[in-house]
Amino acid sequence: NAGVTQTPKFRILKIGQSMTLQCTQDMNHNYMYWYRQDPGMGLKLIYYSVGAGITDKGEVPNGYNVSRSTTEDFPLRLELAAPSQTSVYFCASSSGGGARNEQFFGPGTRLTVL
Amino acid sequence: AQRVTQPEKLLSVFKGAPVELKCNYSYSGSPELFWYVQYSRQRLQLLLRHISRESIKGFTADLNKGETSFHLKKPFAQEEDSAMYYCALRAGTYKYIFGTGTRLKVLA
Repeated sequence: NAGVTQTPKFRILKIGQSMTLQCTQDMNHNYMYWYRQDPGMGLKLIYYSVGAGITDKGEVPNGYNVSRSTTEDFPLRLELAAPSQTSVYFCASSSGGGARNEQFFGPGTRLTVL
Repeated sequence: AQRVTQPEKLLSVFKGAPVELKCNYSYSGSPELFWYVQYSRQRLQLLLRHISRESIKGFTADLNKGETSFHLKKPFAQEEDSAMYYCALRAGTYKYIFGTGTRLKVLA
C-alpha cells in the first residue's frame, strides 16, 4: 500500500496562476483532509471530506476549492494564486472522524507563489 | 480560545538523558490530545494519543487537566528520536489544532 500520495512535491507559481494539488489514498478511507503549514506555524485545516460527494470548509478555506468524486481522490484547487498561499500543503486520510481514528498523512507539497 | 502551545522551537539533549517536550492547551470542552512525529525525510505520523494511555518507542504523555498540559516524556533519549514533534488537540469531529512543533536533537 502506498498510503496517501501527493503530487507534485514542489511547485512555483506566479501570482494569478491556477493549479491543482493532487491527493490519492489507497486505504479505502472515507475521511480526507487538506492542511497547510506556514513557516514556523502549526497545521491548519483548509477543507475536509467525509465521503465521496461530501466536502466542507475547515479553518482557512478562502482561495481554495475541493472536490471528492471518488473515495480515493481529493484534489485541492487554487484558482488565483497569491503570495499568501505560499506554504506546505498536507493531505491526510482516516477511516473515521473520531479520536481513535488515526490520520495518515501524505509527504506534502511545497508551494511558492511569486 | 482553542489553542495548542509548544513553547520550545528546539530542544537539544544528550543521548541517554531524559527528554520532556512541553505542550499546553486551551480548550473549554473535554480535551483529546495527540503527539505526532516527523522524522527526517519522512511524513508526519501519529506517535501516541492520550485516550490510549500507551507508551510508544519509550515515550509517554500524561494529560494534566489542572495544568492544561500534555507533555511528552522519555527517560533515556536515543539518537533515532531526533525529529519534529507536534502536539495536537481534537477540538471537534474534524477539527484538529496543531502546535507549532518542537525540533528534538539528540546529541551523541
